Amino acid sequence: DSGVTQTPKHLITATGQRVTLRCSPRSGDLSVYWYQQSLDQGLQFLIQYYNGEERAKGNILERFSAQQFPDLHSELNLSSLELGDSALYFCASSVDLTTEAFFGQGTRLTVV
Amino acid sequence: ELKVEQNPLFLSMQEGKNYTIYCNYSTTSDRLYWYRQDPGKSLESLFVLLSNGAVKQEGRLMASLDTKARLSTLHITAAVHDLSATYFCAVVDPRTGTASKLTFGTGTRLQVTL
Repeated sequence: DSGVTQTPKHLITATGQRVTLRCSPRSGDLSVYWYQQSLDQGLQFLIQYYNGEERAKGNILERFSAQQFPDLHSELNLSSLELGDSALYFCASSVDLTTEAFFGQGTRLTVV
Repeated sequence: ELKVEQNPLFLSMQEGKNYTIYCNYSTTSDRLYWYRQDPGKSLESLFVLLSNGAVKQEGRLMASLDTKARLSTLHITAAVHDLSATYFCAVVDPRTGTASKLTFGTGTRLQVTL
């Protein structure tokens, strides 16, 4: 157990809907990262927050947004969902910008 | 844009045999990770390689890094069934200024047969 907690573990929703994925980082970690793992795109970096501020952005769609709250937990919001958004979404956290990040168990999103 | 390639994509090997997974990356980096992933599970960190010539070993797995060639290898010695999983390398692009933003390889699915 890495200490990074993601909820829910599984989510099934219909096309066009909106969902929120939640991540609680390890105690003391200031940085949170979101990754998407899909069959066709592989593992892709989406976005990073550090102490509440957006730090780096990857291939994140405009329909997706994220934030990190003052208590350091993070949420990834996915809207106008499409079938192709079905994937495993991972959150990772690290102490700061220079140290290794540890991954949560992931949220399996299925869009039907 | 940093690109990371792994080969092979799929590897079926018999127990007791040795094999090597290769990870090539396109731009200079000073940090490379190897991860293991079981089906539907999280990513388990195996090794962090930080400098040219770095070699790390854990059990039947040994990882090395050649920053000049932009190449890392994961060598499996005397494979056992428990090593069956997908293995990813991941590279940090120092130009991003963020040491933990990772670009992943395609993954190598390893199947060890009896």
